[in-house]
Amino acid sequence: DIVMTQTPLSSPVTLGQPASISCRSSQSLVHSDGNTYLSWLQQRPGQPPRLLIYKISNRFSGVSDRFSGSGAGTDFTLKISRVEAEDVGVYYCMQATQLLSFGQGTKLEIK
Amino acid sequence: EVQLVESGGGLVQPGGSLRLSCVASGFSLSNYWMNWVRQAPGKGLEWVALINQDGSKTFYVDSVKGRFTISRDNGKNSLYLQMNSLRAEDSAVFYCVIGNFWGQGTLVTVSS
Repeated sequence: DIVMTQTPLSSPVTLGQPASISCRSSQSLVHSDGNTYLSWLQQRPGQPPRLLIYKISNRFSGVSDRFSGSGAGTDFTLKISRVEAEDVGVYYCMQATQLLSFGQGTKLEIK
Repeated sequence: EVQLVESGGGLVQPGGSLRLSCVASGFSLSNYWMNWVRQAPGKGLEWVALINQDGSKTFYVDSVKGRFTISRDNGKNSLYLQMNSLRAEDSAVFYCVIGNFWGQGTLVTVSS
């Protein structure tokens, strides 16, 4: 099983400042088809998860360009360039290279 | 517009059964692997089950093996989860996840 580990688990951020979340997998997420199935999800309070980024760095339809993803192999990062109030929630990394598994979640809150 | 709508959740006693459904609109499910993911109250996301395009391959998290069965009907653009021998620890919101799309979830509560 692939274990996903996120850091930090909590991130207080000032409005307008950047934020960054890291995700590490217990083994390489490069699939035999050459793709890396690493996604980032946002879950606002009381809402279902929403896809932000897929295959490391591709923004899903309608997602603000303030969100960006990067990384390779086992180490990945989600960056928010300027945090807004609507970004408050929990962020999860998710791998779909081998079944599915999720990071523990990172709670983003405003200082 | 792509939409996934889950149904079938509710309150059930320990040892009971429920059948969850997920109906897709706006796209055809037939080309996709499909998943059920759950989230216990106040907890993170947990993958539950996966089925391939024609239903010939299924996979489960260890905690539900032998109790849950995932299935699909491509003709009805639908995904199902039959849940038997339910336990209190199965209480969660269950989401169907297909490709990059998530449903709104259906709440399952197992309690006497």
